[in-house]
Amino acid sequence: AQSVTQLDSQVPVFEEAPVELRCNYSSSVSVYLFWYVQYPNQGLQLLLKYLSGSTLVKGINGFEAEFNKSQTSFHLRKPSVHISDTAEYFCAVSLYNQGGKLIFGQGTELSVKP
Amino acid sequence: GAGVSQTPSNKVTEKGKYVELRCDPISGHTALYWYRQSLGQGPEFLIYFQGTGAADDSGLPNDRFFAVRPEGSVSTLKIQRTERGDSAVYLCASSSLAGVSTDTQYFGPGTRLTVL
Repeated sequence: AQSVTQLDSQVPVFEEAPVELRCNYSSSVSVYLFWYVQYPNQGLQLLLKYLSGSTLVKGINGFEAEFNKSQTSFHLRKPSVHISDTAEYFCAVSLYNQGGKLIFGQGTELSVKP
Repeated sequence: GAGVSQTPSNKVTEKGKYVELRCDPISGHTALYWYRQSLGQGPEFLIYFQGTGAADDSGLPNDRFFAVRPEGSVSTLKIQRTERGDSAVYLCASSSLAGVSTDTQYFGPGTRLTVL
């Protein structure tokens, strides 16, 4: 069975500091990888996705993520966070040739403090 | 253009009642997905439509849950004999390409269901 694990449920960080949100996955088939963000009282919004090619993927709002196949990880990073980045972040996978349904991790709550 | 919309935004019902949750996808999107998000958890897949037909309903928890998409656009998730454990936020998403694992899904704001 496939699964996604987000290793930190909460990450507090000060404004302008760097941040890394960790994500590991387990799958017996090829996967595609996604990061979604959920701002308070809003729907999920795609930050970035890895399909193939370069393992470093750049997304919106200055976020980037690196796919590491040997470690089955897809960690999300931002070099300098803003107060407005406070939100819940979800890592997800879809399975190759299996219709597009997403399997999500439990989420990481990023709290940026002044 | 308009995004995915869901109605109602909040629904409070009593145990044992029947509820319907509606999803309006982005116009022209072929694929439609339903997910359920319990408190403190990530969304869990329920069912996926490709056009009018349910291509994958493996996530529906039991036969009290049913969903339809009769004309290939609007979808309704139906829950019979609601239980307190059904309380969650129900999310709908749509994507332009059916059955493509690489396609981006666009999510609605969700319907928060509370079963008393």
